[in-house]
Amino acid sequence: GAGVSQSPSNKVTEKGKDVELRCDPISGHTALYWYRQSLGQGLEFLIYFQGNSAPDKSGLPSDRFSAERTGGSVSTLTIQRTQQEDSAVYLCASSLVGQNNEQFFGPGTRLTVL
Amino acid sequence: LAKTTQPISMDSYEGQEVNITCSHNNIATNDYITWYQQFPSQGPRFIIQGYKTKVTNEVASLFIPADRKSSTLSLPRVSLSDTAVYYCLVGDLNSGYSTLTFGKGTMLLVSP
Repeated sequence: GAGVSQSPSNKVTEKGKDVELRCDPISGHTALYWYRQSLGQGLEFLIYFQGNSAPDKSGLPSDRFSAERTGGSVSTLTIQRTQQEDSAVYLCASSLVGQNNEQFFGPGTRLTVL
Repeated sequence: LAKTTQPISMDSYEGQEVNITCSHNNIATNDYITWYQQFPSQGPRFIIQGYKTKVTNEVASLFIPADRKSSTLSLPRVSLSDTAVYYCLVGDLNSGYSTLTFGKGTMLLVSP
């Protein structure tokens, strides 16, 4: 079956521009996560959505970052006024809460801010 | 959140058994231990999960002592394709919110 998909796979932008990253989770998965991974580093939690509950935004690094999940499915991560330090791979994952919470990851979006 | 500590890197040769130990001294009663594997340019993927004693699947074994303050991921007879980063995570699966936190992981390099 279809896994988690993300688009675009690569994004190059100029400093100060806004970018939108998209995540299509596995159908039926109620939980959705966004992570950021800088080169050679571990995964940094950004935001978590679970069903209709208010998202946990505790990992967002600044107010330039925001995310939404429409209809409990597709999610968009928006970064406004991008900075060079935003360059990283942005990973999305989805899971079924209550079934070992195994997270299924997408291939990621590599963001480069020039 | 239970903090985990694992080696930054490990080296091995093909055919050897590799054991990666993770320390989690403040693990809570309801916490499970989960390991993920990440290949370059890919997202992590679930390997194994356990609560206590020993768990084995087709990929690996997970050993958890009685005090649960540590756990050991065992990879039998590694091959070059096992070169990856391995993450140890500890968290409550039943809280309705996954509190699993990825650290920097252990970079395993398998050589011929």
